[in-house]
Amino acid sequence: QQQVKQSPQSLIVQKGGISIINCAYENTAFDYFPWYQQFPGKGPALLIAIRPDVSEKKEGRFTISFNKSAKQFSLHIMDSQPGDSATYFCAASADTGRRALTFGSGTRLQVQP
Amino acid sequence: NAGVTQTPKFQVLKTGQSMTLQCAQDMNHNSMYWYRQDPGMGLRLIYYSASEGTTDKGEVPNGYNVSRLNKREFSLRLESAAPSQTSVYFCASSEAGGAGNTIYFGEGSWLTVV
Repeated sequence: QQQVKQSPQSLIVQKGGISIINCAYENTAFDYFPWYQQFPGKGPALLIAIRPDVSEKKEGRFTISFNKSAKQFSLHIMDSQPGDSATYFCAASADTGRRALTFGSGTRLQVQP
Repeated sequence: NAGVTQTPKFQVLKTGQSMTLQCAQDMNHNSMYWYRQDPGMGLRLIYYSASEGTTDKGEVPNGYNVSRLNKREFSLRLESAAPSQTSVYFCASSEAGGAGNTIYFGEGSWLTVV
């Protein structure tokens, strides 16, 4: 049972373009939605996170859009750079039950120069 | 500042052999986790420890055991390795469990079972 569904599996974007990755969740108890970035050979690292009380959060070129009624959230990378090439994971967690992150399946982003 | 340290980084096992993955964190975190990463499946939680002295099963606990040795250390044991356990294993920690707590990951342990 995949509680967090992520798409696309892979994404190729030209330098300067916008990268968009989408996630959908099922568990309405989730109330924290982070995105993690992973470079080859490294562990995932927190990129940006949002709580469901806001619809958007922006940090530099990275923006999370959140739609509580649709149970969907997305990551937008503006002005994508080759250095953004990595695997991105969305995740979710709740303050009840299993208090650990549930991850999506990941998106491999390649930004071409 | 080492953060989360896992050993070994690479290991090849024969089917049926046992081994322990070691993990230590130096951030004085209460919660620790073991995830496995497989292509197309993201990271799946094997076991976690909300605090020293407690452990709980995650999504995929079968074939694994864990020990929260103290606040710093959380080990993962494969008693009888199977090819299906070929994966990259990540240890992680956070100040506490639940929403809003950043989880910090180690650099991973690549395990191949032949």
